[in-house]
Amino acid sequence: DAGVTQSPTHLIKTRGQQVTLRCSPKSGHDTVSWYQQALGQGPQFIFQYYEEEERQRGNFPDRFSGHQFPNYSSELNVNALLLGDSALYLCASSLVGGVDTGELFFGEGSRLTVL
Amino acid sequence: AQKVTQAQTEISVVEKEDVTLDCVYETRDTTYYLFWYKQPPSGELVFLIRRNSFDEQNEISGRYSWNFQKSTSSFNFTITASQVVDSAVYFCALSGYSTLTFGKGTMLLVSP
Repeated sequence: DAGVTQSPTHLIKTRGQQVTLRCSPKSGHDTVSWYQQALGQGPQFIFQYYEEEERQRGNFPDRFSGHQFPNYSSELNVNALLLGDSALYLCASSLVGGVDTGELFFGEGSRLTVL
Repeated sequence: AQKVTQAQTEISVVEKEDVTLDCVYETRDTTYYLFWYKQPPSGELVFLIRRNSFDEQNEISGRYSWNFQKSTSSFNFTITASQVVDSAVYFCALSGYSTLTFGKGTMLLVSP
């Protein structure tokens, strides 16, 4: 049973470019959450997708957008990249009611470097 | 707003020492869960323990134990007889509104 898989694992972009990160949830899970983890910080919630809709959103600008597909996989898009967007982006999957009870599984993340 | 504070930035111990990681939280919710996660250099967050707000009983699971005190809003985590493989960043997290709020983490370095 595959866990949460994310791609790419590492990537380098320059300021102003756009990036797309991908996440496949654990089998059977229907909810995907994205977190940003800057160096030396704890993960911060970006948004959550369920039934192909954005269900919750953290304090991130509109440059951060996402999508969930019918197979529950998800994409995180960041436009007009800034140096401060350099971070580890973590995807977490769960069942819709599972986040509050901790039934949350994380991928290994996509490490984005913006030059 | 929810908040998690991990005052210890980095802790260094020698193998076989016991180590306690501190966590203080703030929430207005009456029902919530608290968690500890471990993050090795690979980056993946590994779930360690969970405690709900209605259960203040402290437990031991192998080398891990935790002390949950609702009166002081603290959820401390202890590793007994630490090992080199315990070296990692440890995060305390609080659930609410279908999200997790994390502390800034404590880096634990266990030397042989």
